[in-house]
Parts: sequence; structure tokens; C-alpha cells
Amino acid sequence: ETGVTQSPTHLIKTRGQQVTLRCSSQSGHNTVSWYQQALGQGPQFIFQYYREEENGRGNFPPRFSGLQFPNYSSELNVNALELDDSALYLCASSLDRGSSYEQYFGPGTRLTVT
Amino acid sequence: GEDVEQSLFLSVREGDSSVINCTYTDSSSTYLYWYKQEPGAGLQLLTYIFSNMDMKQDQRLTVLLNKKDKHLSLRIADTQTGDSAIYFCAEKGSGGGADGLTFGKGTHLIIQP
Repeated sequence: ETGVTQSPTHLIKTRGQQVTLRCSSQSGHNTVSWYQQALGQGPQFIFQYYREEENGRGNFPPRFSGLQFPNYSSELNVNALELDDSALYLCASSLDRGSSYEQYFGPGTRLTVT
Repeated sequence: GEDVEQSLFLSVREGDSSVINCTYTDSSSTYLYWYKQEPGAGLQLLTYIFSNMDMKQDQRLTVLLNKKDKHLSLRIADTQTGDSAIYFCAEKGSGGGADGLTFGKGTHLIIQP
């Protein structure tokens, strides 16, 4: 069984640019959640996708958007990057929306905005 | 809003028990979790407890939940050097549209030889 994978591992962008991060969920999982983890902090919930639709959202502005594909993989897009967007972005998958209490995390993408 | 608090550091001797504590404010929490994060890595789900339970044991790990005081603890028996990591407490609310977890800032567990 393949775990959650994310790409790329590291990324450096300039303020104002746009970025796309990718996540492949664990085999058989149809729900994907995205989190932002700033240095020295715990992860903060961005949003969740279930069967290709946004299922819930945390306190993040609209320039953070996402997609989920028919194979349940997902993308996180961030427009108009700001310095404070520098963080580790974590993707977590769960078996089903009703089972989202078991969320399994990927290794993360480290984004640096200069 | 919801809040989860943890001590930032805990230092223990190898072979001793480690007890990591956490308090939370959301009285409607349904599940409470412990995750482990090693340097440069993602989060590993260690264990979780449903809010109607007061204890859960899994090998060297014991979770205690005091729902009245909104206090959660993780005990690691016979702490080893491989247990050195950041431990995050997290909670899941009872509903609404968002199914995200709310995390604390993490406790750095330091193992002394």
C-alpha cells in the first residue's frame, strides 16, 4: 500500500508569484486535507476536498485554492505569494469523509518565498 | 475559537517514562490525537482517542483523557533515543463544514543518555 506522497520536496518562489503543490493520497482514500505549518508552529488547516469538491475551509484567504481529481490526487494553488506564505505544506488523506478522524500525512513541501 | 496548548520542551532520561501534556478548549471535541514529527519529516499518527473514552493503551503508549478538565496526556514507557521528536496534540471538533484538525504548537521531547 502506497502512502501519501507530495511534490515537489522543496520550492523557492518570489513574492507575487503563483505556486502549485501536488499530493497523491494513500491508496483507497478519497478525502484530502491541506495544512500549513510555519516554522516552530503546529499545522493549520487550510481546506479539505472530498470527491472533487471542497468540503470545509479554515481561516485562509481566497488566494489559497485547491483541486481534487477523479483519482483523488489533489493540488494546492497559492496566488500572489507573500513572505509569510513560507512554510511546510502538508497534505493528509483519509479513507472517507466520515472517517476523517484518521488522517495520514505526507512528508510535506517546503516553500520558501523571497 | 478553539485552542490547544502544550509545553514546548520535555527532557527525560533514556529508559524513563515520558509524559506529555495537552489542554484544549473546545468542549465539543470528538477525537483527540497524538502525532509525532521527526526533523524534516511529515507527521506520523501515533494514536487517537474518542472523547467518550478516558484511556487507551497501545504497546508503550498510554493516552489519558480527562474530559471535565479538557486535559489529554501521552505517556511513553521506556523512552528510547528514537522517541526524540516533536509531539503534537490535536483535536477534531464535532461538526460544521470543516473537518480539519486543530493542533498545538508541539512538545520537543529531548532524551538524555
